[in-house]
Amino acid sequence: EAGVTQSPTHLIKTRGQQATLRCSPISGHTSVYWYQQALGLGLQFLLWYDEGEERNRGNFPPRFSGRQFPNYSSELNVNALELEDSALYLCASRGRQVTDTEAFFGQGTRLTVV
Amino acid sequence: AQSVTQLDSHVSVSEGTPVLLRCNYSSSYSPSLFWYVQHPNKGLQLLLKYTSAATLVKGINGFEAEFKKSETSFHLTKPSAHMSDAAEYFCVVTYGGATNKLIFGTGTLLAVQP
Repeated sequence: EAGVTQSPTHLIKTRGQQATLRCSPISGHTSVYWYQQALGLGLQFLLWYDEGEERNRGNFPPRFSGRQFPNYSSELNVNALELEDSALYLCASRGRQVTDTEAFFGQGTRLTVV
Repeated sequence: AQSVTQLDSHVSVSEGTPVLLRCNYSSSYSPSLFWYVQHPNKGLQLLLKYTSAATLVKGINGFEAEFKKSETSFHLTKPSAHMSDAAEYFCVVTYGGATNKLIFGTGTLLAVQP
């Protein structure tokens, strides 16, 4: 069974541009989480999608947005990129059963803003 | 507020000596607790989980953790450290089943000296 897949693995953008990051959850998982991991700042929660709806949002400006598609895959969009947006962006998925307590992570997208 | 605290940001051990990474959670009804490991520039891998079954949980790579309700702790241990254990470790808690959000600790960076 395929795990959580993220694309691209690396992305280089210039300041002011837009970045789009993609995540495919494990088959059957309906929840997708996005995290930012910038150097020295730990894992910062960005967004949580479940069943196509945004369920929760971290303390990030509106230029960080996303969506979840009917097949439960998800996109994270970052507009008007700033240098400090450079980070590893991690996606995780989770099932909806009561026993589906743990999240499974992808390998991440390394975004570099120059 | 629901929270999880990793008491040490950095831990250094010698190869072959025991590992102890400490984690405390805010007390609440029926927590599910996890430990994840992250090697440099990689995603997070689940080491082990506690979901109200046995209080001593065995995970991958020789790690185990004990859920102690009276101490609200879920410390991660390994009898003998290996060089390949050098990584960052995250303690995570969630309450109330799969529908609630994941709460991450700030991480503990484990260094293993030869």
